[in-house]
Amino acid sequence: SYELTQPPSVSVSPGQTATITCSGDELGDKYVSWYQQRPGQSPVLVIHEDFKRPSGIPERISGSNSGKTATLTISGTQAMDEADYYCQAWDSSTVIFGGGTKVTVL
Amino acid sequence: QVQLVESGGGVVQPGRSLRLSCAVSGFTFSNYGMHWVRQAPGKGLEWVAVISYDGNNKYYGDSVKGRFTISRDNSKTTLYLQMNSLRPEDTAVYYCAKDLLLRTGFDALEIWGQGTMVTVSS
Repeated sequence: SYELTQPPSVSVSPGQTATITCSGDELGDKYVSWYQQRPGQSPVLVIHEDFKRPSGIPERISGSNSGKTATLTISGTQAMDEADYYCQAWDSSTVIFGGGTKVTVL
Repeated sequence: QVQLVESGGGVVQPGRSLRLSCAVSGFTFSNYGMHWVRQAPGKGLEWVAVISYDGNNKYYGDSVKGRFTISRDNSKTTLYLQMNSLRPEDTAVYYCAKDLLLRTGFDALEIWGQGTMVTVSS
């Protein structure tokens, strides 16, 4: 079965850039979405179709996807960005989630 | 505004059944595919099932295939998840979510409900 692999954790200083990767076979051939889940809250869609931001998502959150790796980038990281982030793709009519990455703002 | 409100969770014994509901408002329910996703305590997201806008297409995750059934009633703007033969490993918060795409196919999970907790324990 298809798998998406994310690093378990990423640490970043306030104002710096956080980079979260998501890897899978031929992932660049699929659309990737990203979700932010703050503690105790429901997930929120922050990126879809690799790089598109839903309304209300700040421009400092961006996405890309090429080859075997999709990347979520958070520029000028703020305390409010501390959360779990999940990548997601479709494979054979099923939704696949990555294992999630905990972003800690130190 | 868009609202998805899950209900029906609770404590149930292994082997028993439970039906979850997701009441929707704020958008034209009959135009969008809908998903169920679950999250075990302290764990990541696990996709459960999706149903097309008209109910004609349904897909399931491997761990629930044959035990769970997704359905919808567009006249009541409500999504359902019938869960049979429940196991302790089905213990999780269950979220319903609206798909991003209008009618044609499926894409991202655009809007999520607040979730309902299901505990399978004797």
